Amino acid sequence: DTEVTQTPKHLVMGMTNKKSLKCEQHMGHRAMYWYKQKAKKPPELMFVYSYEKLSINESVPSRFSPECPNSSLLNLHLHALQPEDSALYLCASSQTSNEQFFGPGTRLTVL
Amino acid sequence: GQQVMQIPQYQHVQEGEDFTTYCNSSTTLSNIQWYKQRPGGHPVFLIQLVKSGEVKKQKRLTFQFGEAKKNSSLHITATQTTDVGTYFCAGLWKTSYDKVIFGPGTSLSVIP
Repeated sequence: DTEVTQTPKHLVMGMTNKKSLKCEQHMGHRAMYWYKQKAKKPPELMFVYSYEKLSINESVPSRFSPECPNSSLLNLHLHALQPEDSALYLCASSQTSNEQFFGPGTRLTVL
Repeated sequence: GQQVMQIPQYQHVQEGEDFTTYCNSSTTLSNIQWYKQRPGGHPVFLIQLVKSGEVKKQKRLTFQFGEAKKNSSLHITATQTTDVGTYFCAGLWKTSYDKVIFGPGTSLSVIP
């Protein structure tokens, strides 16, 4: 199984809502990533988990809270988001310094 | 800080013409990766270059890594409509193998 799955595909939320994005991979990859991508821009790294531990946090606001319950799962908890947080949120996984496999993304709209 | 630059931002070509996108890093890279993202899709890995001066080919695509490991290029020969999309280079540094920084991308349009 060489697939990264993400749910939901689309999410619309208000600024006071709490929601979570989910990502799953069954390739045995030790690293998992969250990226944010705005239209016509490159993916922007948010968080990296290595062996289920947070290894990189790219100064992301605390309204985004990552969680790695186990080696196959990665969550991104959202709370009190702003309209400018609307974007495509991509999850990816990889082995050490190798190719990243991206999921299809969650398209988030914050009203 | 670590930065990856890429030119051109956009390229429109007639089907059958060649296409090249160039990538440049502010500092020496450990590896460089190339990804393609189709409109409405997600990035898909194309290749990774590791060695100084490395050249790799995939059918009509040729990838090069500069001698100083600070620049790279992707050349597509005889473009087809299936080549449409945005091509991103992504740099990796030895200080943190997990940290991949994407260039801004080159958006390729192919006119049939």
